Amino acid sequence: EVQLVQSGAEVKKPGESLRISCKGSGYSFTSYWISWVRQMPGKGLEWMGRIDPSDSYTNYSPSFQGHVTISADKSISTAYLQWSSLKASDTAMYYCARSNGMDVWGQGTTVTVSS
Amino acid sequence: QSVLTQPPSASGTPGQRVTISCSGSSSNIGSNYVYWYQQLPGTAPKLLIYRNNQRPSGVPDRFSGSKSGTSASLAISGLRSEDEADYYCAAWDDSLSGLWVFGGGTKLTVL
Repeated sequence: EVQLVQSGAEVKKPGESLRISCKGSGYSFTSYWISWVRQMPGKGLEWMGRIDPSDSYTNYSPSFQGHVTISADKSISTAYLQWSSLKASDTAMYYCARSNGMDVWGQGTTVTVSS
Repeated sequence: QSVLTQPPSASGTPGQRVTISCSGSSSNIGSNYVYWYQQLPGTAPKLLIYRNNQRPSGVPDRFSGSKSGTSASLAISGLRSEDEADYYCAAWDDSLSGLWVFGGGTKLTVL
């Protein structure tokens, strides 16, 4: 079964760093890009960026460029989304999706940033 | 403000046919495939339609998609209570270095 399994919920303080993960299984991880999508509370879906796990080439939405870092470790079929300094406005659900038309989605990781 | 424009809400009674529109531009819908996602309350989005009008296996044929120019639409026939969800359209946008763009989402209520 093709699936993406994300890391668990996080509660952080403003200014802290964070890395969440997305592990692929059931398919060749390096054959498909992985996208990250944000959903703020009660709001719609926003595409953040994507990575090609075969060579770690990335492209970001202008709205998120410079605010997050997307990376991958193909040896363990895992993609990451990372913040160096969280803000309260980063509070949201974050999904990874296989970027083949986003045909497979992770279950989501809730990130709460609060002092 | 989303790049793709969807109505914020739609509704219908069981058995009815409803359509949800998605409007874009020449850099996204006008030159690339359209995808539709269904998000049930408290769950991750699920791919409903890909490449304008193709259904993944397991998606009922009550769901259909179409595209014309810079607009697309999702039709749901034989509406059922379990179709009550948020629906999003998406397309690749060729501007800048390329990016996926979404519609703002349509909340479908089954009356």
